[in-house]
Amino acid sequence: DAGVIQSPRHEVTEMGQEVTLRCKPISGHNSLFWYRQTMMRGLELLIYFNNNVPIDDSGMPEDRFSAKMPNASFSTLKIQPSEPRDSAVYFCASSLLGRAEAFFGQGTRLTVV
Amino acid sequence: AQSVTQPDIHITVSEGASLELRCNYSYGATPYLFWYVQSPGQGLQLLLKYFSGDTLVQGIKGFEAEFKRSQSSFNLRKPSVHWSDAAEYFCAVGSDNQGGKLIFGQGTELSVKP
Repeated sequence: DAGVIQSPRHEVTEMGQEVTLRCKPISGHNSLFWYRQTMMRGLELLIYFNNNVPIDDSGMPEDRFSAKMPNASFSTLKIQPSEPRDSAVYFCASSLLGRAEAFFGQGTRLTVV
Repeated sequence: AQSVTQPDIHITVSEGASLELRCNYSYGATPYLFWYVQSPGQGLQLLLKYFSGDTLVQGIKGFEAEFKRSQSSFNLRKPSVHWSDAAEYFCAVGSDNQGGKLIFGQGTELSVKP
């Protein structure tokens, strides 16, 4: 298996633009997680899905952030409009439902200028 | 509140020396404990995990960790550090009740002197 695949690896955008981050979980995994990593706050969970259904989005910072999982093999995290303080590395992770072990993608480094 | 504390932000060791990275947790349920490593510009790689059973667990790259319930600790150790071990190390806690939802410590950056 290729592991969790995220795209793009790097994204530079201007403030006010829409940004979409993409994630393909490990085949067969049915839980998917979006994390954000910053120097100030470390690794924090934004939202997670079980069987494509959002379970807990309490970590999503603002209404500008939204996430979808239209099927078992694809998820998106969208920021609209983007702001400089959204600059961070965004990780996607997947796991088997009911198993605590999560596998992480390589991350997307987002820079908003 | 559930939390993970890594007291050391940055540690420097000489190549060949032993290493211990500290991790303390506060978690109401039975904890499942993890150590991840992150090399610069890379994702998080799982080093080892503790679910139950033997409190001393072995991981990849020669790392081991010991779960001490009485001290709420899960320290990571390696008997002889290699230059390629320089990276950031994260301790995390979770439970099967919440799937792969993990709470991470702030990380410890390891530098290795030649």
